[in-house]
Amino acid sequence: GQQVQQSPASLVLQEGENAELQCNFSTSLNSMQWFYQRPGGSLVSLFYNPSGTKQSGRLTSTTVIKERRSSLHISSSQTTDSGTYLCAMDASSGSWQLIFGSGTQLTVMP
Amino acid sequence: GPKVLQIPSHQIIDMGQMVTLNCDPVSNHLYFYWYKQILGQQMEFLVNFYNGKVMEKSKLFKDQFSVERPDGSYFTLKIQPTALEDSAVYFCASSLVQGDERLFFGHGTKLSVL
Repeated sequence: GQQVQQSPASLVLQEGENAELQCNFSTSLNSMQWFYQRPGGSLVSLFYNPSGTKQSGRLTSTTVIKERRSSLHISSSQTTDSGTYLCAMDASSGSWQLIFGSGTQLTVMP
Repeated sequence: GPKVLQIPSHQIIDMGQMVTLNCDPVSNHLYFYWYKQILGQQMEFLVNFYNGKVMEKSKLFKDQFSVERPDGSYFTLKIQPTALEDSAVYFCASSLVQGDERLFFGHGTKLSVL
């Protein structure tokens, strides 16, 4: 089965609404990252977050390693937030053999 | 922020031909990676590379694949010969240290094998 489960698969919001994206891991993990994949395909690293809570602007990531889950909160969404959000885990210490989830497709309507 | 450059952005070749995908990683990074994403599917790890050697590779990294980074030049992925199932977007990534920092990705090279 899938080692990295993301939910929801897709999400449509009105501009200004908040979004909560979830990532669950079926195995223990060493660390994880959140990425944003633009409609054209390029990938941007949002957070390297092995544990705890990190914030950058309107984005907040919280990882609870013991519970094998991570969330990404987007506050006051904007149309430019539209795209695919990917989480990825690194299961082995000292490796960047990331295992990616299938992503959450976010659409923010004006 | 740090940028990983990939050249070309799109490559179209005939099945059986050789192709080389080029990556210019972040200048002070030491670890280099290739990932593959077939249209509509998940990103998947191919290989990581450090100090002139392949450190780890997945089952997707077939015998027809090879990587190298001659001193001071591009980190390359060569496929020889190509097959139809090699059509995908190939992403290069780099990091300063392994497993301890963010991974920075390029914009990808879309490879179309006809």
